[in-house]
Amino acid sequence: DQQVKQNSPSLSVQEGRISILNCDYTNSMFDYFLWYKKYPAEGPTFLISISSIKDKNEDGRFTVFLNKSAKHLSLHIVPSQPGDSAVYFCAASGSGTYKYIFGTGTRLKVLA
Amino acid sequence: DAGITQSPRHKVTETGTPVTLRCHQTENHRYMYWYRQDPGHGLRLIHYSYGVKDTDKGEVSDGYSVSRSKTEDFLLTLESATSSQTSVYFCAIGTGAPPLHFGNGTRLTVT
Repeated sequence: DQQVKQNSPSLSVQEGRISILNCDYTNSMFDYFLWYKKYPAEGPTFLISISSIKDKNEDGRFTVFLNKSAKHLSLHIVPSQPGDSAVYFCAASGSGTYKYIFGTGTRLKVLA
Repeated sequence: DAGITQSPRHKVTETGTPVTLRCHQTENHRYMYWYRQDPGHGLRLIHYSYGVKDTDKGEVSDGYSVSRSKTEDFLLTLESATSSQTSVYFCAIGTGAPPLHFGNGTRLTVT
């Protein structure tokens, strides 16, 4: 049973436009959420995170939104750049546990 | 790379042979993790460790064992490799507070 789901395997966006990546979760005990970016032949790198006590966190071009009632989070990248082309994973963790459960990933392609 | 070294980086082995992957960290982090990445499945947690000699199972632990005899080393062992264990394996480390930091992976092919 996939507790963290990314229903869009791929996304293409024009350079300069907004990229929106989505993630849904089923476990209401999750209280911390993270986004990672992964380039080929490299390990995932941490991008941005959000605690369940917030509904938005911003870091430069990256913003994560959390809708707890819908068990949904999204990552917005504005403006998108060709260097943002990568696979993006969302991950979730629950209070008192140290397990991080990842989604299946979304491959973002930013077209120049 | 947050001081994480995975070895080997690539390995080809035959079905039925034992395989051990090593993760070495220089950050003195308490928590260490093994994930596998497969198309359509994303990153799945195999096992993790919350201290020396303290380990627990993840989502896909069958067929894998781990050991942590020192803070800096976390070993993943496939006792008898199968083709379904062909994957890219990532080690990650953490302090207990997010985020995790990942190594660059080991690509394992079981023929």
